[in-house]
Amino acid sequence: GESVGLHLPTLSVQEGDNSIINCAYSNSASDYFIWYKQESGKGPQFIIDIRSNMDKRQGQRVTVLLNKTVKHLSLQIAATQPGDSAVYFCAENNRGGKLIFGQGTELSVKP
Amino acid sequence: NAGVMQNPRHLVRRRGQEARLRCSPMKGHSHVYWYRQLPEEGLKFMVYLQKENIIDESGMPKERFSAEFPKEGPSILRIQQVVRGDSAAYFCASSPVGEMSEQYFGPGTRLTVT
Repeated sequence: GESVGLHLPTLSVQEGDNSIINCAYSNSASDYFIWYKQESGKGPQFIIDIRSNMDKRQGQRVTVLLNKTVKHLSLQIAATQPGDSAVYFCAENNRGGKLIFGQGTELSVKP
Repeated sequence: NAGVMQNPRHLVRRRGQEARLRCSPMKGHSHVYWYRQLPEEGLKFMVYLQKENIIDESGMPKERFSAEFPKEGPSILRIQQVVRGDSAAYFCASSPVGEMSEQYFGPGTRLTVT
């Protein structure tokens, strides 16, 4: 069946370090993936997306890597800041528009 | 350009009452999605709508829940005869196109059933 999951429920990093958040998906037919950031009491905020015909995409301080061979997705945040503290979700965009979310990884940035 | 708007932000209902949640998509977006989030869990898809059409309602409970997106006005998620298990955050998202398109989320409505 379809599922999108994250390897670690929590991640603690030092301010200024790089963060890597991982995600595994099980549907090999999935062709579009999105990372979201959710702060407490707020809605998910779009960070970056990637299509299955790519293996890497970069944004401002963020990079998403897609490894279709092992069905793995990661989000890298460079020079992590306190404002990056939040829960991060990967989501699989199923054909037809439906998003399937993982459980989330809570990122905590220590000053 | 205003983002996705949802109201009310907080809603308290007694068991058996009806809850109506509203969502106005971003300007230019004609695709609307509703998701539910239980405490400390990820978001679960409920329904996908376009103007006057339900495209995918595979995540909607079979009873008591309904959704619409009329030609004019916001999308409405309606929950009849609420029960305590309906307590959750309900998020609406919109996108400019359907498949393989980024979805932008509203701030959510937090429903509490007492």
